[in-house]
Amino acid sequence: QKEVEQNSGPLSVPEGAIASLNCTYSDRVSQSFFWYRQYSGKSPELIMSIYSNGDKEDGRFTAQLNKASQYVSLLIRDSQPSDSATYLCARGSTLGRLYFGRGTQLTVWP
Amino acid sequence: GAGVSQSPSNKVTEKGKDVELRCDPISGHTALYWYRQSLGQGLEFLIYFQGNSAPDKSGLPSDRFSAERTGGSVSTLTIQRTQQEDSAVYLCASSLVAGGQANNYGYTFGSGTRLTVV
Repeated sequence: QKEVEQNSGPLSVPEGAIASLNCTYSDRVSQSFFWYRQYSGKSPELIMSIYSNGDKEDGRFTAQLNKASQYVSLLIRDSQPSDSATYLCARGSTLGRLYFGRGTQLTVWP
Repeated sequence: GAGVSQSPSNKVTEKGKDVELRCDPISGHTALYWYRQSLGQGLEFLIYFQGNSAPDKSGLPSDRFSAERTGGSVSTLTIQRTQQEDSAVYLCASSLVAGGQANNYGYTFGSGTRLTVV
C-alpha cells in the first residue's frame, strides 16, 4: 500500500456533480494502471485501465495518467448515488502483481 | 468457468482449527492471486501463482499459512491453527497475463470467503 497512495477521503459529492479521485505511485517503471470499484460487502471489480499518458474515457468515467508526475486520477461525471463505493487505484508490476492503494470512499448524495 | 469461483462463501471455525479455502480461476488464466481484506481495511497481498509455482509468497503472514495450486488451475489456501486475527475476507483473483510489463488485463476477483474465527 505504501507504493500507491490515495486520498483516504471520504469524498462526498451531490448527485450530478463530478467526482475526482486521485492516486500517486512511487515506481517509475510501472506501465499499467487500474481503477477498481468495491461496493460494501462485495469484491472489487475492474472499471478502468490505462497504459498511456493522457485521458481515457469510458461512458461517465475518465481515467487520466501522467507518468512524469506519477499521478493517475479517475473522474466520474454526472455522479449517481449508485456510484457510492470505495474506489481502489492499482499499478502493475514486472511480476504481474498489482499494487493497490487503500481506497477512497465516495458517497454521492441525492 | 465464467468467473472466479471461491468456496466456501462463509466459514466459521473455532480457534486452533485448520481451514482450507478454495479458488477456481477463470479458465485459461495463468496467474492466480490471494489477498485478504479485514473489515474496513485495504487489500493485503498474500501470495501469487504463475502456473503451479509461486514466485511471490512474501505476503503470507506466518508459517501457519500455505497455499498450493495444481494443474495450473485450482488453488487451495490453508490456514493451520487459526487465530482470531485471521478473521477476514479472503479474496482470490486471476489474470490472463502475468510477467514483463504485462498484466494489461488487470485482475478478476472472486466473491471471496468470509472467515470468522471464534
